[in-house]
Amino acid sequence: AQKVTQAQTEISVVEKEDVTLDCVYETRDTTYYLFWYKQPPSGELVFLIRRNSFDEQNEISGRYSWNFQKSTSSFNFTITASQVVDSAVYFCALSEGNAGGTSYGKLTFGQGTILTVHP
Amino acid sequence: NAGVTQTPKFRVLKTGQSMTLLCAQDMNHEYMYWYRQDPGMGLRLIHYSVGEGTTAKGEVPDGYNVSRLKKQNFLLGLESAAPSQTSVYFCASSYRGRNQPQHFGDGTRLSIL
Repeated sequence: AQKVTQAQTEISVVEKEDVTLDCVYETRDTTYYLFWYKQPPSGELVFLIRRNSFDEQNEISGRYSWNFQKSTSSFNFTITASQVVDSAVYFCALSEGNAGGTSYGKLTFGQGTILTVHP
Repeated sequence: NAGVTQTPKFRVLKTGQSMTLLCAQDMNHEYMYWYRQDPGMGLRLIHYSVGEGTTAKGEVPDGYNVSRLKKQNFLLGLESAAPSQTSVYFCASSYRGRNQPQHFGDGTRLSIL
């Protein structure tokens, strides 16, 4: 069975600090997809990024960057120069791809990391 | 463009009552999902549907039923509500394919007394 672990329950930083959110996953499949979602205080879930198991290239989008390492089964998320608006719960999620391609996109979520950025 | 709309946003029920949560999407997505979010546990999949007229069980299906009579709607039913079903419920939808990001509704906060 697949599993996603976000060991950091809560992180508190001061504005402009860099912060890294950890995500470790377990899966027996060779084809899978990893996602990060953001849940701001208003409650909705916002898709941030998707990464497939064949692409270990890191990605940067503005102040956000993601480091995917298959060797350690990790998909970590870094926010550079954090801002108060980054305060949210961040979820890492895993979607397996069955050999027959029939996983139907079901997501297994981590427990979430509560990030608080203080002014 | 509404995206994924959940109705209602809040509801308080008494133990044993029944209710239906409605999810509607206007993106012509094939796949739809119902999750529940509980503190410290992330989101867990209750049921999902890969097309009109089809449904399947997720990780925590007990106590819930679903129906997808129309492609754009996915209903979640509680036949006899229990306090353990107090949670925030999220509906999501996506295009066909295991690599497609899911689009979420704003959630329904449900309390069972």
